[in-house]
Amino acid sequence: GQQVMQIPQYQHVQEGEDFTTYCNSSTTLSNIQWYKQRPGGHPVFLIQLVKSGEVKKQKRLTFQFGEAKKNSSLHITATQTTDVGTYFCAGDIQGAQKLVFGQGTRLTINP
Amino acid sequence: SQTIHQWPATLVQPVGSPLSLECTVEGTSNPNLYWYRQAAGRGLQLLFYSVGIGQISSEVPQNLSASRPQDRQFILSSKKLLLSDSGFYLCAWSPGTGSTEAFFGQGTRLTVV
Repeated sequence: GQQVMQIPQYQHVQEGEDFTTYCNSSTTLSNIQWYKQRPGGHPVFLIQLVKSGEVKKQKRLTFQFGEAKKNSSLHITATQTTDVGTYFCAGDIQGAQKLVFGQGTRLTINP
Repeated sequence: SQTIHQWPATLVQPVGSPLSLECTVEGTSNPNLYWYRQAAGRGLQLLFYSVGIGQISSEVPQNLSASRPQDRQFILSSKKLLLSDSGFYLCAWSPGTGSTEAFFGQGTRLTVV
């Protein structure tokens, strides 16, 4: 079946360092979405990328969608303690009416 | 605005007991509805999804079932819980009509003892 692989599984950084998580799909995606789950909370939608090669920014967060629409990345510049949580990518496979989630990257930060 | 309600927040149930988790959505009509399970420290596993009343798709064979008796109501059930059913259960909705952006409920933390 369709799979979305996400790496790394865990990342620990010092506050102020950058962080990147990568997502790779076995099939071409209609779009890719990113979610953040704070410890003890539920996933919250961050952004959706639709176009091949698309890059979007939200303050210190930069999201990219690959040219082949099979991979994506989330980069956080100068992490802050508020960035702690698990970041999930989710692939939308055309016509499937459902998302396939990656395993998530759990980010912890040393203040 | 749209809101999603999921209850209870936490639940401790003995092995072999039945389960019923309910999820309702307000402020939208004909949403797609989803049940996910998240094991401790793990990713999101899609259990069931529904694109309309009475329409349920099962993703993983298991001890659980789902029903959608009304447009904005989604219920997750089990007749007899297993220890392996423990986890964090999340209900979500999306607008449908080609949009899959998901909005999650607060989740139910189920512990089977």
